[in-house]
Amino acid sequence: KQEVTQIPAALSVPEGENLVLNCSFTDSAIYNLQWFRQDPGKGLTSLLLIQSSQREQTSGRLNASLDKSSGRSTLYIAASQPGDSATYLCAADNAGNMLTFGGGTRLMVKP
Amino acid sequence: DTGVSQNPRHKITKRGQNVTFRCDPISEHNRLYWYRQTLGQGPEFLTYFQNEAQLEKSRLLSDRFSAERPKGSFSTLEIQRTEQGDSAMYLCASSLGDREQFFGPGTRLTVL
Repeated sequence: KQEVTQIPAALSVPEGENLVLNCSFTDSAIYNLQWFRQDPGKGLTSLLLIQSSQREQTSGRLNASLDKSSGRSTLYIAASQPGDSATYLCAADNAGNMLTFGGGTRLMVKP
Repeated sequence: DTGVSQNPRHKITKRGQNVTFRCDPISEHNRLYWYRQTLGQGPEFLTYFQNEAQLEKSRLLSDRFSAERPKGSFSTLEIQRTEQGDSAMYLCASSLGDREQFFGPGTRLTVL
């Protein structure tokens, strides 16, 4: 059974800092890995999806990497802004259907 | 708006009542998923459909829960005899095959 863990659970940084969010998973036979953003009381916004054959994906100031052998993914956010404040969730897909989510990292970027 | 939509956005009910939620996926997406999220936790998978067929159900989906997607378009999730432990955000997502899943805004259920 896949288990996904995100550390840290909460993070507070000053505006402009580069930061890394960590995601680890127990079953390396993943189909893909997806990163989401969730604002309080809202649904999930997809940020990046990395296929199992890929090592990384980039979108604007975001870069996500995937290392299946070590069971780890990271989300790198460059030049953080207060608008980046949200909860970031990673999710592993083992069979091309259901996602297994981590508990999320709650990010606060202070002006 | 061509994204995933869910109705209602909020539902308050008394324990023991039945509730039904609706999800309208992105029009060309053939897969539809239901997840449940409690406060401070990541979402947990409940069930998914490919077209009108329900292909996977989590053990979290007790006998009081039933989901349908009768024509392969919108889906409904019904909870019978609600309990306080059912209070959560119910999220719907859709995808084209096994590609990226896109989520709706969720339905927040409060059981008093």
